[in-house]
Amino acid sequence: EVQLVQSGGGLVKPGESLRLSCAVSGFTSSNAWMIWVRQAPGKGLEWVGRIKSKSDGGTTDFAAPVKGRFTISRDDAKNTLYLQMNSLKTEDTAVYYCTTDLNWIWGQGTMVTVSS
Amino acid sequence: DVVMTQSPLSLPVTLGQPASISCRSSQSLVHSDGNTYLNWFHQRPGQSPRRLIYKVSHRESGVPDRLSGSGSGTDFTLKISRVEAEDVGVYYCMQHTHWPPYTFGQGTKLEIK
Repeated sequence: EVQLVQSGGGLVKPGESLRLSCAVSGFTSSNAWMIWVRQAPGKGLEWVGRIKSKSDGGTTDFAAPVKGRFTISRDDAKNTLYLQMNSLKTEDTAVYYCTTDLNWIWGQGTMVTVSS
Repeated sequence: DVVMTQSPLSLPVTLGQPASISCRSSQSLVHSDGNTYLNWFHQRPGQSPRRLIYKVSHRESGVPDRLSGSGSGTDFTLKISRVEAEDVGVYYCMQHTHWPPYTFGQGTKLEIK
């Protein structure tokens, strides 16, 4: 069974950092482009960023609101995706989901709250 | 960026009746490879989204044939032939023809009257 299991959310203060993880099982994620999407409380879905497979160059792209503050990396040996979030702002408060455009199965989501 | 506009944003429907959601893009979603990368997702309260439809009209495994996607270019539609209780939630269209970024519609909340 394909599963994406997320971890790493929590409450942080503005300006602090947090790293989210997304562990993939049931398929080999190394061939997949992996994606982060977020959803602010009571709002819609917002694409955060994506990392291509290593065979496609492993490059990343980000949405304008997070560009320069967030990075995405992958450890294909561990079948795990990461989202490093730096200089967090209150407007980054959201549930963060990982998914893949190989099959668009989603993780369970992890809440990130940025508040003083 | 491609802007995705859904309508209506709220959709009260009687059980057994049909429902239709429109999604319009600010530019054609036809990719240079000939495909149109338009997905439909469904999100129930408190749950992760689930993809229902990909490339405009292809149903995911397990999605009932009461649901269908259609459209081309900039105009797309998700139809439910007979609404059931399990259909409540929010529906999103999303394009990944032109990236970055991938862009979502605002969401359409379907509820039972």
